Amino acid sequence: NAGVTQTPKFQVLKTGQSMTLQCAQDMNHNSMYWYRQDPGMGLRLIYYSASEGTTDKGEVPNGYNVSRLNKREFSLRLESAAPSQTSVYFCASSPTANTEAFFGQGTRLTVV
Amino acid sequence: QKEVEQNSGPLSVPEGAIASLNCTYSDRGSQSFFWYRQYSGKSPELIMSIYSNGDKEDGRFTAQLNKASQYVSLLIRDSQPSDSATYLCAVNPGGGNKLTFGTGTQLKVEL
Repeated sequence: NAGVTQTPKFQVLKTGQSMTLQCAQDMNHNSMYWYRQDPGMGLRLIYYSASEGTTDKGEVPNGYNVSRLNKREFSLRLESAAPSQTSVYFCASSPTANTEAFFGQGTRLTVV
Repeated sequence: QKEVEQNSGPLSVPEGAIASLNCTYSDRGSQSFFWYRQYSGKSPELIMSIYSNGDKEDGRFTAQLNKASQYVSLLIRDSQPSDSATYLCAVNPGGGNKLTFGTGTQLKVEL
């Protein structure tokens, strides 16, 4: 059982570069989420998708865009990376929007 | 006021003791509550979910919810060194479409 799969696991970017973080789930979940985790800040919601075809901003959306490609896949794009976006990024999914979420293994991103 | 608040710790308990972790939330309309465990360098792992007032037990873990006082707690009985981790409280504010996390409480179980 793969669950939630994120790629890549590690990435180093230069300031101004762009990249897309990929996330796929095989649990037939309706809702998907992108969080970032920084020391002392906990998990902060970037964007979420309550169901296929919908996306909404979370707490810290600036500098990011998302695409809910289909029910399985939810990608996060950084158009012009900044050092402030250095963080660990987690994708999660849940059966519906108010049920328990399951997390991928995370992507550790460093912007230099 | 933060939507979900937890004491950052660290909370130190001896092996075999009961660890008590607390979480308060600000939105009275919150309907779903979750506890996650996160080991250093790993992703959060779901331990318990609770949706109605009272206690819910699963093995050594008990989640307690008090909607009137707006707090949810996690008790870990017979604490083991392997329980040493950061425990995250998560709430579904207003029954909406997102899950909001507290900053977590670090638990250390000492031999």
